[in-house]
Amino acid sequence: DSGVTQTPKHLITATGQRVTLRCSPRSGDLSVYWYQQSLDQGLQFLIQYYNGEERAKGNILERFSAQQFPDLHSELNLSSLELGDSALYFCASSVGQGGGYTFGSGTRLTVV
Amino acid sequence: GEDVEQSLFLSVREGDSSVINCTYTDSSSTYLYWYKQEPGAGLQLLTYIFSNMDMKQDQRLTVLLNKKDKHLSLRIADTQTGDSAIYFCAEKGSGDSSYKLIFGSGTRLLVRP
Repeated sequence: DSGVTQTPKHLITATGQRVTLRCSPRSGDLSVYWYQQSLDQGLQFLIQYYNGEERAKGNILERFSAQQFPDLHSELNLSSLELGDSALYFCASSVGQGGGYTFGSGTRLTVV
Repeated sequence: GEDVEQSLFLSVREGDSSVINCTYTDSSSTYLYWYKQEPGAGLQLLTYIFSNMDMKQDQRLTVLLNKKDKHLSLRIADTQTGDSAIYFCAEKGSGDSSYKLIFGSGTRLLVRP
């Protein structure tokens, strides 16, 4: 157990739907990062939050959004889902903005 | 630009050493990392090296950094079947990208009994 908790582990949904992925960072970590892992794109950085504020944005689609709450957990919202959104979505956390990340075990999203 | 490249596949015999190579482009990277991903699991941080170091050893793992050539390698001594996994090299970005890690595409290591 890495200390980063992601729920749900698996999610199957239909095209056009909206889902919410949840992440609880490791205790004491203020930064949360979201990554998408797909076979053809590898690990793509989506977005980072630090202590509730958005700090960096990567290749995140407009259909996707995220937030970090006062208790530091984070949610990634994916809407108008397409088949190509099927992937593993990882959350990671770190104490500050340096050093290595601790990853959660991911949410496998399948869009059918 | 930022780019991290790795070979896709490596096969070794159990007991041999494995060397996984990585090249990166951002010469101002401060930290470089190696992560391991087992099937169905998240990424596990194996080790990291600060950019002013040439080498770091941690039990069976040895990281070598050639900053001039922007080349990083991970050597696993006495490779075991449990080491079979995908290994990702990552660099910490700089400037506007200093908040994120940039990952290579991963090297799949297969350890044959």
